[in-house]
Amino acid sequence: DSGVTQTPKHLITATGQRVTLRCSPRSGDLSVYWYQQSLDQGLQFLIHYYNGEERAKGNILERFSAQQFPDLHSELNLSSLELGDSALYFCASSVSPPGQRGLYNEQFFGPGTRLTVL
Amino acid sequence: AQKVTQAQTEISVVEKEDVTLDCVYETRDTTYYLFWYKQPPSGELVFLIRRNSFDEQNEISGRYSWNFQKSTSSFNFTITASQVVDSAVYFCALSDVFFGNEKLTFGTGTRLTIIP
Repeated sequence: DSGVTQTPKHLITATGQRVTLRCSPRSGDLSVYWYQQSLDQGLQFLIHYYNGEERAKGNILERFSAQQFPDLHSELNLSSLELGDSALYFCASSVSPPGQRGLYNEQFFGPGTRLTVL
Repeated sequence: AQKVTQAQTEISVVEKEDVTLDCVYETRDTTYYLFWYKQPPSGELVFLIRRNSFDEQNEISGRYSWNFQKSTSSFNFTITASQVVDSAVYFCALSDVFFGNEKLTFGTGTRLTIIP
C-alpha cells in the first residue's frame, strides 16, 4: 500500500458526460501528479500540482482540468468524454519541493481509477 | 525531449529461466533518474528500482538485477530463475529533475509471461 488513495476504483459512463476523479496524496506529500494509461498512448504524464499550484502540464487535453485543494487532495475533471478517454488514470504523490534541481523525490502511485466510456 | 524505448513488446519464458528486459533512454540532461515499475494483472504500479545518472553501479536485489550503462544509454533489468508471479508488464521510466517537477516519461512496457 503506497498510502495514495484514488476514488472511485471503477467508473463507467457515456460519451459526452463529465466525471471527476479524486486523489488523496500520502500524508506530508505536497505534490500530486496525474498520469493516463491508455492502449493508444501508453502511460503518459498529464499534469503536476504542487501545494495547490499547477507546476507543469503534459499531454493533457483541453477538455480535462485538474486542481489541488488546500487539504492537498486533487481532482481530475474530464468533460465531453469520448470513447478514446477510456483509460486507467493514476495519481502519484511526492514531497517535491520546487527549485531544487538535482534533488529527486520519489513518486508513490495510487491504485488507479479505471474509466470506461461507452 | 526525453524518450524511453522498450523494444521488446512481449516476452515468454519457461519458469526458472533467466530473462532480460531491455530499456534504452534519451535525454539531454546530465542529471536524471531511471526507474523500473511492475504492473501485475491487478493494474497497480509497483516501484522496483530507482537509479540516478551518477551511479553506474549494478544492483542486485534477490532474483532481480539491473545493469546501467551510460555509454549505451541503457538500463536493463534481469530476472533470474523466473517464477510465475513475475508475469506482469514492466515499465522503464526516466525523469529529469527540473525545479521540482519530476514527471516520469515511461516506455511502452514489456509484457512478460512466465510459463509454468
